[in-house]
Order: sequence, then C-alpha cells, then structure tokens
Amino acid sequence: EIVMTQSPATLSVSPGERATLSCRASQSVSSNLAWYQQKPGQAPRLLIYGASTRATGIPARFSGSGSGTEFTLTISSLQSEDFAVYYCHQYNNWPRTFGQGTRLEIK
Amino acid sequence: QLQLQESGPGLVKPSETLSLTCTVSGGSISSSSYSWGWIRQPPGKGLECIGSIYYSGSTYYNPSLKSRVTISVDTSKNQFSLKLSSVTAADTAVYYCARGVEHWGQGTLVTVSS
Repeated sequence: EIVMTQSPATLSVSPGERATLSCRASQSVSSNLAWYQQKPGQAPRLLIYGASTRATGIPARFSGSGSGTEFTLTISSLQSEDFAVYYCHQYNNWPRTFGQGTRLEIK
Repeated sequence: QLQLQESGPGLVKPSETLSLTCTVSGGSISSSSYSWGWIRQPPGKGLECIGSIYYSGSTYYNPSLKSRVTISVDTSKNQFSLKLSSVTAADTAVYYCARGVEHWGQGTLVTVSS
C-alpha cells in the first residue's frame, strides 16, 4: 500500500497570504495525484487532478505541482472561504490512498 | 450535470451487513471510461477507499476490507451498491460514492450500534 504523508498537519496563514501544502508518496504515483478541499459537514471537493490540472470551476489561485513522490498544492492569496482541510489522494495503485490531511486555519 | 446520491439505513447492528446504494443521475453508469467507487470517513478522521467497480465488471477492493466487501452495478437502475458484512463499531462512518476522482455524492452517515 502506498502511504501518503502530508505536511504540515496544521498551517496557520493570514488572509491574502500564500499557503503551500506538501504531500509525499512512499513510492512513485507518477502524476496520478489529486487534491481535495473539505469543509465541515461537506463532501470533499476536487481541486486538482493529474497533479497539476485544475478541476472545473476551481479558481486560478489554486495550483498543483510535482510528480513521482513529491507534490505541492499552492494557494496564492488566501480567501476566507479557503480555510478548510486539504487531502492529497493517489489513484495510481490499488488500494487508492489518501494523506491524513492538512488543516488550513486563519492566523 | 452528473449527480450521485447515497441511500440506505443509517443504523446497522453489529455483526450484520451494511448495504448502501448510489443512484447516478445526469449520466450513464454504463460508461466504460470511469470507475464507480465507495469511500468512507469515520467521524473526525480521514478518508479511506473501500473499493471500485468498472463497467467491465472488474472490481478492486481495499485489502483491509476485502473479505467483507462486495460492490456491484445495476445498469437497469443506473445504480451501484456496497455491501459490507460483519460490521463493528469501527465501521461507523460517513460513506461516499464517487465516479472517478471528480464526482462525489454528499455522503451518508452509517452508525453501527445495537
């Protein structure tokens, strides 16, 4: 099973600033990596797939990069609605696995 | 616009079988391009993939659950289903159905308790 490790567990950032979230895979997942945003009581929302492609309707301030085992989600200028939990997800191998999440909180 | 909706009992007794159905609207479940899967999230915890099924009939299950899980498709109803047997309190979670990585249902909470 591929283990996905996200860092940091919690990130405190001020509105308008940049946030950088990291995800590391225990073995290569090529570019088969997605990022999700989840708010309390809601289903995860797809932000990025293919490591760097924004999903439909996702604002340009969200960007993804990386391949192989190292991935990054960057939010260029945080808006109030961006404070949530973010998960990375590899869909290269079965079982598909998720990271443990990064909680993005207001500083 | 594709929509997925989970349905099933919200309360299941220990040792019984959890059964959920995902109804797909706005698209055909017979598409050969996508996987149809189930993911769960225990209260306050992270996400776990349970398994997926493809139009070809191929299924993939999480090894940690494989002995207890069955996923099937009913193309006539545009639905797919999850059965998880011999449940315990550890199976209490919000269960989501999904198409590929993009489209998810809203989730349904299933509590295992006597």
